[in-house]
Amino acid sequence: DTGVSQDPRHKITKRGQNVTFRCDPISEHNRLYWYRQTLGQGPEFLTYFQNEAQLEKSRLLSDRFSAERPKGSFSTLEIQRTEQGDSAMYLCASSLAVGGEKLFFGSGTQLSVL
Amino acid sequence: AQSVTQLDSQVPVFEEAPVELRCNYSSSVSVYLFWYVQYPNQGLQLLLKYLSGSTLVKGINGFEAEFNKSQTSFHLRKPSVHISDTAEYFCVSLNTGFQKLVFGTGTRLLVSP
Repeated sequence: DTGVSQDPRHKITKRGQNVTFRCDPISEHNRLYWYRQTLGQGPEFLTYFQNEAQLEKSRLLSDRFSAERPKGSFSTLEIQRTEQGDSAMYLCASSLAVGGEKLFFGSGTQLSVL
Repeated sequence: AQSVTQLDSQVPVFEEAPVELRCNYSSSVSVYLFWYVQYPNQGLQLLLKYLSGSTLVKGINGFEAEFNKSQTSFHLRKPSVHISDTAEYFCVSLNTGFQKLVFGTGTRLLVSP
């Protein structure tokens, strides 16, 4: 059973550097979500895709953040010119469009910006 | 806008004792509510969901929750907890169109022997 996988598990970077995370959803799932979770908080919605189309972006997603899902399969989340406030766990989830209330989450990528 | 409020950030309990994790929601429209669980070093998992119908919903691992419209609550309960239930529990609402989940701040359940 291949669930949602995220790579890398951990990323340490210096302020000002660019980072890219990858998410591989469950293969038959056409919806893909990105969430961000900071310590002591619940996950916050960033953006979601239906197939390759990015349908909604949160106001949390500044212009330094960009997400893609070019072929409707895996997705990447890039953060340019990282800031210390970007330090968080970045979670990816996928679901079917029908019955899409059940999301399957990956284990996340923990980003630390020094 | 819809939101959920989890009233307790941490709930310590002894093994085999009952537990209730509290959640209140606010929404002016039809509401869909969930509880997700996050075990240490694992991804979030759906515990149970309320979409419509019976207000008492049963989930995995012996958990259940009751949707109470008059009190705008969706509390999670388990009659007897195990050490393995130690985890972070999130009350979650879903906007119409099933587009995105809105998470509460979480309640850490700590079960000790």
